[in-house]
Amino acid sequence: AQKVTQAQTEISVVEKEDVTLDCVYETRDTTYYLFWYKQPPSGELVFLIRRNSFDEQNEISGRYSWNFQKSTSSFNFTITASQVVDSAVYFCALSGRFGNEKLTFGTGTRLTIIP
Amino acid sequence: EPEVTQTPSHQVTQMGQEVILRCVPISNHLYFYWYRQILGQKVEFLVSFYNNEISEKSEIFDDQFSVERPDGSNFTLKIRSTKLEDSAMYFCASRGEINEQFFGPGTRLTVL
Repeated sequence: AQKVTQAQTEISVVEKEDVTLDCVYETRDTTYYLFWYKQPPSGELVFLIRRNSFDEQNEISGRYSWNFQKSTSSFNFTITASQVVDSAVYFCALSGRFGNEKLTFGTGTRLTIIP
Repeated sequence: EPEVTQTPSHQVTQMGQEVILRCVPISNHLYFYWYRQILGQKVEFLVSFYNNEISEKSEIFDDQFSVERPDGSNFTLKIRSTKLEDSAMYFCASRGEINEQFFGPGTRLTVL
């Protein structure tokens, strides 16, 4: 069975601070995919990143960066120099080896950026 | 940029009534999904659909639920006899080339 744990339920930081959202996963598959989605107050789910289990390179996209560590089964997400527009619920998700499989979501982390 | 669309944005229904939620996936995608999110909770998988048949379904997706792709563009979720606990946001998603799933804006279903 697959499981995603986001232990941080809510985080508040002051604007321009850096913040890291934690994600720990469990799977028996040797090939799998990890994702982050953003859910702003408007409610839609916005795809941010996909990472496969063979690619442990960290990725940076603007103010966003992701740290994938297979040894600790973690896929953490860091926002640098946070902005008010980053306020949202962030979900980490996992899918199995075939890629077309369902996404298993974590419970989400509600991030509030205080101006 | 292509996107997944869903209608209606909000549906209010009486308990026991049938509802049909509609989705138009991204045109060249082949895999389609329905998820639901009860208010304040995590997103839960309902069903996946490929090549005109269900490829996987969750325990939530019981006999009251059905999916259909009636034509080349629409993908529908039907709930035959709604219950109060079916109140949730329902998301449709379609899968792209590198395995990411793109989600529609959701339909908020309220069962009274």
